[in-house]
Amino acid sequence: AQSVTQPDIHITVSEGASLELRCNYSYGATPYLFWYVQSPGQGLQLLLKYFSGDTLVQGIKGFEAEFKRSQSSFNLRKPSVHWSDAAEYFCAVGFGNEKLTFGTGTRLTIIP
Amino acid sequence: SQTIHQWPATLVQPVGSPLSLECTVEGTSNPNLYWYRQAAGRGLQLLFYSVGIGQISSEVPQNLSASRPQDRQFILSSKKLLLSDSGFYLCAWSVVGANQPQHFGDGTRLSIL
Repeated sequence: AQSVTQPDIHITVSEGASLELRCNYSYGATPYLFWYVQSPGQGLQLLLKYFSGDTLVQGIKGFEAEFKRSQSSFNLRKPSVHWSDAAEYFCAVGFGNEKLTFGTGTRLTIIP
Repeated sequence: SQTIHQWPATLVQPVGSPLSLECTVEGTSNPNLYWYRQAAGRGLQLLFYSVGIGQISSEVPQNLSASRPQDRQFILSSKKLLLSDSGFYLCAWSVVGANQPQHFGDGTRLSIL
């Protein structure tokens, strides 16, 4: 079955610390992978995407993600978070049709 | 560049009243269009998507409907709103084809009283 899992519902990180948000998928082929960010009361903004090639993908706002086929994962990372990074983060996967399947999201809280 | 507009931004409606939310896309032709609902503190639920004028696919059976009267216009409607229809409604577009990134509007906050 095709699925997307974000295991962490809520993560709290200190400002300036590193961040890693997890995303796992279940699919028999190589999926198309995306990360989105949503600030409160706003729509979703695309951070980065992976289609093929280099498995380390750079995105906007200093984020990067690494595709690991052996682990069926596409984790989002940032070396040093800023208070403005507090938001909801969604992993999304394309399984070969016009729809994307979104994870349930991870809420990121930044503490000073 | 492409832009997507949703309106209204906020809507308060009584139970049993009708609904019409509109979404338009500029700067692209023949986009795929999507309606999602996001309940408080929860993820995204795909409601409808469209790959062309008059072509609507429904993902969740409910009292909502969608229409695409023009290439870049997508409308979400209801004849009688239920309390459970409260939520944050998001419209999105993508270029034609599988696995394309979707681009979202700013959403409509719908409260049912």
